[in-house]
Amino acid sequence: DARVTQTPRDKVTEMGQEVTMRCQPILGHNTVFWYRQTMMQGLELLAYFRNRAPLDDSGMPKDRFSAEMPDATLATLKIQPSEPRDSAVYFCASGLGSQGYTEAFFGQGTRLTVV
Amino acid sequence: RKEVEQDPGPFNVPEGATVAFNCTYSNSASQSFFWYRQDCRKEPKLLMSVYSSGNEDGRFTAQLNRASQYISLLIRDSKLSDTATYLCVVNGPWEGYQKVTFGIGTKLQVIP
Repeated sequence: DARVTQTPRDKVTEMGQEVTMRCQPILGHNTVFWYRQTMMQGLELLAYFRNRAPLDDSGMPKDRFSAEMPDATLATLKIQPSEPRDSAVYFCASGLGSQGYTEAFFGQGTRLTVV
Repeated sequence: RKEVEQDPGPFNVPEGATVAFNCTYSNSASQSFFWYRQDCRKEPKLLMSVYSSGNEDGRFTAQLNRASQYISLLIRDSKLSDTATYLCVVNGPWEGYQKVTFGIGTKLQVIP
């Protein structure tokens, strides 16, 4: 049963530390999304890639966040330095499509707590 | 005005009831629409796409009203297992790229 795999599932870190979240999309999917979910803001799109190229990262705070796809089987989201307001659940999702939005299959998320 | 607006609820309904949620969007050029379901502390999963002609999947019916810029989800004969948060998703061109926006979600609690 193909699924998106995210690591770690939970992360507690101190303010100022670097955090790296990893995502393995479903094999063969060419679109990868990073989302952040909080109670107050709901689900926010941070970035998305198609065929490993970034298409939209307008939702991502550029000063501390970065997203990359070193290869087709790995996407990373880094926060440096982390701040308490970054505490949230971060979801990665993958999909298959040529243009526009496609159905996104979500991973189980990384629950980040910055203290 | 938010790009996608949903009533966060919660909607508390008895088993067997019919319940409907609306989701309004501000971008008139929006092209595709979806409903996702998210269980507590789980990831969102696609429930159904929303087509211009409306579509039905068992007890679930999705409708699109382009003139008034909203989509709706109707659940008939509610089950306890329908308890979840329902997220609407709107996709469309925005300042030169395709933008995907999730609503904040509507929480549904079906009670025995």
